[in-house]
Amino acid sequence: DAGVTQSPTHLIKTRGQQVTLRCSPKSGHDTVSWYQQALGQGPQFIFQYYEEEERQRGNFPDRFSGHQFPNYSSELNVNALLLGDSALYLCASSPLAGGLGYEQFFGPGTRLTVL
Amino acid sequence: AQRVTQPEKLLSVFKGAPVELKCNYSYSGSPELFWYVQYSRQRLQLLLRHISRESIKGFTADLNKGETSFHLKKPFAQEEDSAMYYCALSGLGMPGGYNKLIFGAGTRLAVHP
Repeated sequence: DAGVTQSPTHLIKTRGQQVTLRCSPKSGHDTVSWYQQALGQGPQFIFQYYEEEERQRGNFPDRFSGHQFPNYSSELNVNALLLGDSALYLCASSPLAGGLGYEQFFGPGTRLTVL
Repeated sequence: AQRVTQPEKLLSVFKGAPVELKCNYSYSGSPELFWYVQYSRQRLQLLLRHISRESIKGFTADLNKGETSFHLKKPFAQEEDSAMYYCALSGLGMPGGYNKLIFGAGTRLAVHP
């Protein structure tokens, strides 16, 4: 099992563009969470998906949206990119509906640079 | 509001010295506290969680609800402990009640020979 995988590894976009990041959860996991990690900061929770629905959301604008597919993989979409969106985007998966007590496993991240 | 504070950005020690990485949290509900570690060129991974009461790689952490702290300790640091350490908070009562994690800004531990 490769664990949580994310693509692409790096991405460069310009302001105003749109971007899609992808995540495949660890085998057997059904819940996917996305985090944004700005330089020098800890990861910040964006949202979580379970059963193809967003069920929790952090303090991020509607420009950030996502999707979960029947195979539990997920996408993070960011519209109208701003310079401040430059960050490492982390995907984490957990099993059994992401209930309390279940460990979250993180992917390697996608480094997004907005010019 | 839920918050995690790690007051030190960098902690520099010599091999064999004791280590304490500080973590304080703010949360009105029943907290779950975690320490995550990121070694160079590796992904973020769970080191330990307070409910397990385990010692992992010689590290321990005790939840002190009175002081709202969850400090990470190791009696004798090793060079391979050099990494970025993040304290994280989750728990019942958070909106949604699921395992959303709130992270501190992290502390870089540098262990010198």
